[in-house]
Amino acid sequence: SQTIHQWPATLVQPVGSPLSLECTVEGTSNPNLYWYRQAAGRGLQLLFYSVGIGQISSEVPQNLSASRPQDRQFILSSKKLLLSDSGFYLCAWGVAGGWETQYFGPGTRLLVL
Amino acid sequence: RKEVEQDPGPFNVPEGATVAFNCTYSNSASQSFFWYRQDCRKEPKLLMSVYSSGNEDGRFTAQLNRASQYISLLIRDSKLSDSATYLCAVKPTFGSGTKLNVKP
Repeated sequence: SQTIHQWPATLVQPVGSPLSLECTVEGTSNPNLYWYRQAAGRGLQLLFYSVGIGQISSEVPQNLSASRPQDRQFILSSKKLLLSDSGFYLCAWGVAGGWETQYFGPGTRLLVL
Repeated sequence: RKEVEQDPGPFNVPEGATVAFNCTYSNSASQSFFWYRQDCRKEPKLLMSVYSSGNEDGRFTAQLNRASQYISLLIRDSKLSDSATYLCAVKPTFGSGTKLNVKP
């Protein structure tokens, strides 16, 4: 069966520091991968999605970037965090071939101080 | 108009009640619809897809109304464990969720 991992689970970082969040998927090949952010009491905002290695689409202009160095690895990064980057970051995977059911990882709760 | 809109609630209902949530969407060309459940401080988990003809999974029924551009989720015989936030997803946007509190 497929599983999706994210780490760390929680993170407290100072403003201006770098960020690297990792997401890996097991049990499937060539998945579509997604990064979402959920602010407190808000909906999910799609940040990036990827249909293959090295292929990244950005949905919103921001302070963040994403990379997919391997088929089942998706990384969210920032060179300098802003206060507004605080939130709950969720990675999700879906079967390749268009919009499909998405399955979420456990998320990383990021607090920028 | 927001792409996907939900009443944030909370909906406070007694155990055993029937409760329904709606989710309106603005893009009439949308083809894929889902309901997710999210517990406090956890990730969303797929509850059910929504098919054109409507579909049922136990106590949960999902329906799609293309003419009025909304999807609905009906929960019958509510359990305490149904307390959560219910997010609708209309490709590729998620709603902000409707909070449900089921009381003893």
